[in-house]
Amino acid sequence: DVKVTQSSRYLVKRTGEKVFLECVQDMDHENMFWYRQDPGLGLRLIYFSYDVKMKEKGDIPEGYSVSREKKERFSLILESASTNQTSMYLCASSLDDRSSYNEQFFGPGTRLTVL
Amino acid sequence: AQKVTQAQTEISVVEKEDVTLDCVYETRDTTYYLFWYKQPPSGELVFLIRRNSFDEQNEISGRYSWNFQKSTSSFNFTITASQVVDSAVYFCALSEAPLGTASKLTFGTGTRLQVTL
Repeated sequence: DVKVTQSSRYLVKRTGEKVFLECVQDMDHENMFWYRQDPGLGLRLIYFSYDVKMKEKGDIPEGYSVSREKKERFSLILESASTNQTSMYLCASSLDDRSSYNEQFFGPGTRLTVL
Repeated sequence: AQKVTQAQTEISVVEKEDVTLDCVYETRDTTYYLFWYKQPPSGELVFLIRRNSFDEQNEISGRYSWNFQKSTSSFNFTITASQVVDSAVYFCALSEAPLGTASKLTFGTGTRLQVTL
C-alpha cells in the first residue's frame, strides 16, 4: 500500500512567518506534487518534482517554493506567510509515467491557517 | 489549455437512489487519461478509476459505473443504490501528456454528494 504522510494535519501560523510543510512517501515514487484546495476552486497545482533536486512550477507557484533533497521527501515552503495562503494543502506522489499516466496517491492534507 | 468542468456543485439524494455525477473536459491532446477521485470527510483523496482516451468501454465496479463518451467529451460517474458512506466530494481529473517530466492532473471543482437516510 502506498503511504503518503504529511507532517501536520492542522497548522496555525502568523503573517510573515516562514512555514514548512513536509511530505514523505514510502513507495519509491519519482514524482511528487503539492496542491492547495479551496472551496469552489478544486485542487490547484503549486509545484511538482519528477526527480531529486528537480522542480517545476505548477499553476499557482507565487509565494511558494519547494525542496526535494531526497527521493521520498518533498517540502513546501511559504517564505513569508500571508492570510491568503490559508488553505488545505495536499501532497501527492506517483510512479514515473513517461509511457503511461499513473494515478497520484494523496496524503491526508494539512489545513493551514494564517492569522 | 486543459479544463475539467463539474457543473454540479452539490447533490443531495436519499439512500438507495441512483445518482450521476457529470464531468466534461477539454483538451487538445489525442492521448490523455481521465480520473475520478473520492474525498471523504477525513480529507484524503482516494483514487477510484483511470480511463485512457482510446478505451471508450464503460466500466462497472460494484455499485459504481463510468460512462466515457469522447463525442461529447464527458466522463460521467454513476452510483447505483447510493449509501450514506458514499457521502463525499468527488473530483474528476484530466492528465496532461508528459513532456519529459511528470504528467500533471487538472482537476474539476468537485461535486459534493450528500446521501441521507
